[in-house]
Amino acid sequence: GAGVSQSPSNKVTEKGKDVELRCDPISGHTALYWYRQSLGQGLEFLIYFQGNSAPDKSGLPSDRFSAERTGGSVSTLTIQRTQQEDSAVYLCASSLRQGARNSPLHFGNGTRLTVT
Amino acid sequence: KQEVTQIPAALSVPEGENLVLNCSFTDSAIYNLQWFRQDPGKGLTSLLLIQSSQREQTSGRLNASLDKSSGRSTLYIAASQPGDSATYLCAVSRRTSGSRLTFGEGTQLTVNP
Repeated sequence: GAGVSQSPSNKVTEKGKDVELRCDPISGHTALYWYRQSLGQGLEFLIYFQGNSAPDKSGLPSDRFSAERTGGSVSTLTIQRTQQEDSAVYLCASSLRQGARNSPLHFGNGTRLTVT
Repeated sequence: KQEVTQIPAALSVPEGENLVLNCSFTDSAIYNLQWFRQDPGKGLTSLLLIQSSQREQTSGRLNASLDKSSGRSTLYIAASQPGDSATYLCAVSRRTSGSRLTFGEGTQLTVNP
């Protein structure tokens, strides 16, 4: 009966390195979302998945960012050639089904990424 | 473009007070509105979801109202407790945007014992 699980909880990386962030949604949730929360800023939408497809990638800030989802479950957000401005908390959320009016989002605790 | 504003940005009250947090949005064509709570270093916890056809939702000491035509929602917290201290965020979604949420900046609430 676990909630949304994200790993790692903290990641420190050197500028220029690639990182992978993982999200395990709640079992049975077909919709999965990635958001970014930067210090002093609100939550910024990155991408969402319905099943394994990503109908909306419009929030990805650059082509260094990519995400995939396999088996309608686990999702990985990859940041290539990290920059200091990528430092933020990356939050994953899932919901029972996309587009349902009464389906709330359930968030994980996030991955805090620090690029040095 | 949808914009969500929350007032006040921060609020400090003594324990036991009833309080109201405000949220306004610029585009009234919303699908639903959600209120979340975020504790330091944690993710967001969904508190209440109001569908666009509804006027209010209640859960325990929390009551959220929605006036879609004026672009406003309020979160009412009755008999506040120190454990209510957190940042409260409201977010709206549109069906045409895949139910992705647009968030306000949040209200940081401190309830003093």
